[in-house]
Amino acid sequence: QSALTQPASVSGSPGQSITISCTGTSSDVGGYNYVSWFQQHPGRAPKLIIYAVSSRPSGVSNRFSGSKSGNTASLTISGLQAEDEADYYCGSYTSGSTLEVFGGGTKLTVL
Amino acid sequence: EVQLVESGGGLVRPGGSLRLSCGDSGFTFSTYWMSWVRQAPGKGLEWVANINQDGNEKHYVDSVKGRFTISRDNAKNSLYLQMNSLRVDDTAVYYCVREVAWVAFDIWGRGTMVTVS
Repeated sequence: QSALTQPASVSGSPGQSITISCTGTSSDVGGYNYVSWFQQHPGRAPKLIIYAVSSRPSGVSNRFSGSKSGNTASLTISGLQAEDEADYYCGSYTSGSTLEVFGGGTKLTVL
Repeated sequence: EVQLVESGGGLVRPGGSLRLSCGDSGFTFSTYWMSWVRQAPGKGLEWVANINQDGNEKHYVDSVKGRFTISRDNAKNSLYLQMNSLRVDDTAVYYCVREVAWVAFDIWGRGTMVTVS
């Protein structure tokens, strides 16, 4: 069982916006602004798309945005494109004995 | 080009040992925290361990404490993971990753497969 809770799957049509949630506790997501999001296509290594809750690394499309409210972080993808179909993982720093934790992942299907 | 390349994976019996290695190209290795992240077949990501720039601060996920040891050799631009007392549930692809801030893993290797069976 993952430390952070994500929906197993979400879907959307091209051009639409979708949001993926990542729920933790005050010991991780809610307590620190160290939340990241990763995109992983099948057979590939993950790619960092959001860090520090809402910052985008150089080269990442501005269609990807991150936010946080309380113990829940969110990733929003606007203007959905076919190539966005992938697995998405959130990650957070935690004050627990395990320093860094991930969510279980969300499979995004572009209809 | 900035890249990380892992090696050392393979098939090992339960209770056995393996040493993973990771080399870099294209950045000043000695100035970054480094981590190992693993992914069991068909499963999600799991952070395993990290190490600070000079190797004197290390952290591990509870499930590998006392069995795995992370280390680095900045003169060789290399990261290592010594894995002892391996268990079936250690089976995974192990990724070497550069960490620019907590949980901000910005550079990933292609991974090396470890199978314990």
